[in-house]
Amino acid sequence: GAVVSQHPSRVICKSGTSVKIECRSLDFQATTMFWYRQFPKQSLMLMATSNEGSKATYEQGVEKDKFLINHASLTLSTLTVTSAHPEDSSFYICSAGQPPNEKLFFGSGTQLSVL
Amino acid sequence: GENVEQHPSTLSVQEGDSAVIKCTYSDSASNYFPWYKQELGKRPQLIIDIRSNVGEKKDQRIAVTLNKTAKHFSLHITETQPEDSAVYFCAASKAPTGNQFYFGTGTSLTVIP
Repeated sequence: GAVVSQHPSRVICKSGTSVKIECRSLDFQATTMFWYRQFPKQSLMLMATSNEGSKATYEQGVEKDKFLINHASLTLSTLTVTSAHPEDSSFYICSAGQPPNEKLFFGSGTQLSVL
Repeated sequence: GENVEQHPSTLSVQEGDSAVIKCTYSDSASNYFPWYKQELGKRPQLIIDIRSNVGEKKDQRIAVTLNKTAKHFSLHITETQPEDSAVYFCAASKAPTGNQFYFGTGTSLTVIP
């Protein structure tokens, strides 16, 4: 299958700092990438759809000023958690659909811990 | 929007037995149904998928069935092994690429040696 790379895999930061997470499609171009948040033993909660060259589409209840998404190229999307607080601690995971067969592949996830 | 329900939430089987996980969806326009396996702290891995023009698909010990009329699809794992223990997620989507995937709530499968 296609390869989606996500970095960093783990980050610990102080409350009030910003954290950037990168998601790259390594062997295909992805016009759309998706960002999910996952709490322990729970399902994947879609946060936003990242569209190359345009603004991201956020799901209801997700603060777009809190979770900044940039999709500047066909292989890279970034999620920046601004002014992180302990309640933002979670597993964040990205995914991209591989055209033309729409199979969805996931990055390896980022475990964010805000102290 | 689409609503995907998944049952059971937890499932324990003896090694060698079969495991079945069921999902229902609400949007009749959904036409692509993948299943993902997620081990603790790792990324979900696509294990099998089915499109709406197919009723059943099999890959070794894993099979998926789809009933479009009833809007439900199921994952079947035969001859289960301890390494099958993981969380399994079903999903529904409307192809082509770029459309959202809606995930079920997950099933934690434990295979008892």
